[in-house]
Amino acid sequence: NAGVTQTPKFQVLKTGQSMTLQCAQDMNHEYMSWYRQDPGMGLRLIHYSVGAGITDQGEVPNGYNVSRSTTEDFPLRLLSAAPSQTSVYFCASSSPISHRNTIYFGEGSWLTVV
Amino acid sequence: DAKTTQPNSMESNEEEPVHLPCNHSTISGTDYIHWYRQLPSQGPEYVIHGLTSNVNNRMASLAIAEDRKSSTLILHRATLRDAAVYYCILSPFSGNTPLVFGKGTRLSVIA
Repeated sequence: NAGVTQTPKFQVLKTGQSMTLQCAQDMNHEYMSWYRQDPGMGLRLIHYSVGAGITDQGEVPNGYNVSRSTTEDFPLRLLSAAPSQTSVYFCASSSPISHRNTIYFGEGSWLTVV
Repeated sequence: DAKTTQPNSMESNEEEPVHLPCNHSTISGTDYIHWYRQLPSQGPEYVIHGLTSNVNNRMASLAIAEDRKSSTLILHRATLRDAAVYYCILSPFSGNTPLVFGKGTRLSVIA
């Protein structure tokens, strides 16, 4: 059971480049989300999805796109990277069964935009 | 959304108990109290959660005030591996609302 898998783990981008952070889970979880974490800060929600075909914005969605074509995958796209998007990105999944909502996180993707 | 307040940092000696406080004075009747922790360079991991009664598991204990406006995460014997940022989060019953993380409490454990 792999849990939540994120790729790549490290990436350096030039300003204006585009890229996709991949996230996959093998727990058949309906709920998936993306957070970013800047140095010394807590996690901030970017986008989330409560099921295939359904996405919604979190606290800091600007500059990011997401899609959810399957239950397993929830990619995060940066269309035109900016230095302000330098951060650590965490993908998470959970099964939205009442209060249990225990979230499982990936190991993180370290992104630097120069 | 109901919010939580935690101290920015705490320090503990190894092998001693640690009490991590969390205030949530605007908690609603259907909010569950969740605790997560984040070890250095890792994603957060679930620690414990509860509604009204105190809860125990292999990692920690959760003590919830009678009025539910505060709670305390208890690590019975801190180890160096417990050094992490601990987040106290409120989770509505519905389960479909995303969790909002604050800055948490950074716990340092001294050998």
